[in-house]
Amino acid sequence: QSVLTQPPSVSGAPGQRVTISCTGSSSNIGAGYDVHWYQQLPGTAPKLLIYSNSNRPSGVPDRFSGSKSGTSASLAITGPQAEDEAEYYCQSYDSSLSGVVFGGGTSLTVL
Amino acid sequence: QVQLVESGGGVVQPGRSLRLSCAASGFTFSSYAMYWVRQAPGKGLEWVALISYDGSTKFYPDSVRGRFTISRDNSKNTLYLQMNSLRAEDTALYYCARREKTTSLWEIYFDSWGQGTLVTVSS
Repeated sequence: QSVLTQPPSVSGAPGQRVTISCTGSSSNIGAGYDVHWYQQLPGTAPKLLIYSNSNRPSGVPDRFSGSKSGTSASLAITGPQAEDEAEYYCQSYDSSLSGVVFGGGTSLTVL
Repeated sequence: QVQLVESGGGVVQPGRSLRLSCAASGFTFSSYAMYWVRQAPGKGLEWVALISYDGSTKFYPDSVRGRFTISRDNSKNTLYLQMNSLRAEDTALYYCARREKTTSLWEIYFDSWGQGTLVTVSS
């Protein structure tokens, strides 16, 4: 059971907007700690996708965006491409656990 | 460019030990805090150890505290994870990850990851 809750899977067609939620609590996201997102393509290591809630590292396409509100955060993919099929993880810091916490991951299928 | 290369994984019996290494290159290793993060087969991500840039501070989650020890040799640009009293539930792909430098102590994220080394604990 992950500290941050994500839906196991989402799907969407190119041209649609897909969102992945990440729900936490008052000891992590709700406490004001930033949320970060990683993309893990099949058989590869995680890659930083969004940092500090809404910032994209250099090289990440602008179809990826992040937001945070209250005890939750969201990753949006506008017009997902076939190469975006991957597992997506959110991550934050938890003051009760005194360490980083991850979501359980969400598998994206592009229709 | 930043490169992290893990090694040392393998098959080990329950109760035995294993030491993982992570060779870093392409950046000033001694300036960055480093983590070990693991991923059990078909499962999510879990941090198992962190070490400050100079090795003076180390933290572990309850799941491995007292069994795992993180260390680093900045002269060799290498990160280590000594794993003792291994259990079946320690079976996972172990990644080393670089913590990006941030202005806040609690703003922690990983901007570079190795390819991982697989540890299998089985009799």
